[in-house]
Amino acid sequence: QQQVKQSPQSLIVQKGGISIINCAYENTAFDYFPWYQQFPGKGPALLIAIRPDVSEKKEGRFTISFNKSAKQFSLHIMDSQPGDSATYFCAASRHLSKTSYDKVIFGPGTSLSVIP
Amino acid sequence: KAGVTQTPRYLIKTRGQQVTLSCSPISGHRSVSWYQQTPGQGLQFLFEYFSETQRNKGNFPGRFSGRQFSNSRSEMNVSTLELGDSALYLCASSLVPAGTENTGELFFGEGSRLTVL
Repeated sequence: QQQVKQSPQSLIVQKGGISIINCAYENTAFDYFPWYQQFPGKGPALLIAIRPDVSEKKEGRFTISFNKSAKQFSLHIMDSQPGDSATYFCAASRHLSKTSYDKVIFGPGTSLSVIP
Repeated sequence: KAGVTQTPRYLIKTRGQQVTLSCSPISGHRSVSWYQQTPGQGLQFLFEYFSETQRNKGNFPGRFSGRQFSNSRSEMNVSTLELGDSALYLCASSLVPAGTENTGELFFGEGSRLTVL
């Protein structure tokens, strides 16, 4: 119930192409779905996040699509660049109160390589 | 503003030993979470501390423990190390200010890479 599934495990995309990473969850109590980006030797950093009251959120070349009924969400990276090469983690959590969240559960990660 | 600082960055231990890892959160952040990162397993939640109290705990054996001090700095300890404990241990802090909305964002350190021989 607490698990977040993520696919693919690894992804190779040509420069300028679209990278798509998919995630699925079981716990309907989740109401916060962030994506984190991790470069080698660094800790993960928040990339973009969405709440289930919207079906899509876009920030620059990064878009989250959210399907509440299917309990799925995905990250699309448009015009992928070599600098986007990193590991991407989807995650899920839920509000406990206005000032606190429950633990953040992460997917297993997707290693993205964007080749010139 | 300084980020999350974790020490040591790298360490090598042998089976049966114990290890203590330290995390200094971003100034003003009161919540500290710990994660274990291994290839293929992703980030596994260990525990979260808020105001010196463990608020949440993952599914790890009792050999894994932690604590938080009054200045929000946190330590985690692993006793009787096993080969499978080799991993990157990540600390993340988050802002939980009184009376304001928490965005939910975790701010991660660069991790402590533990190798158990």
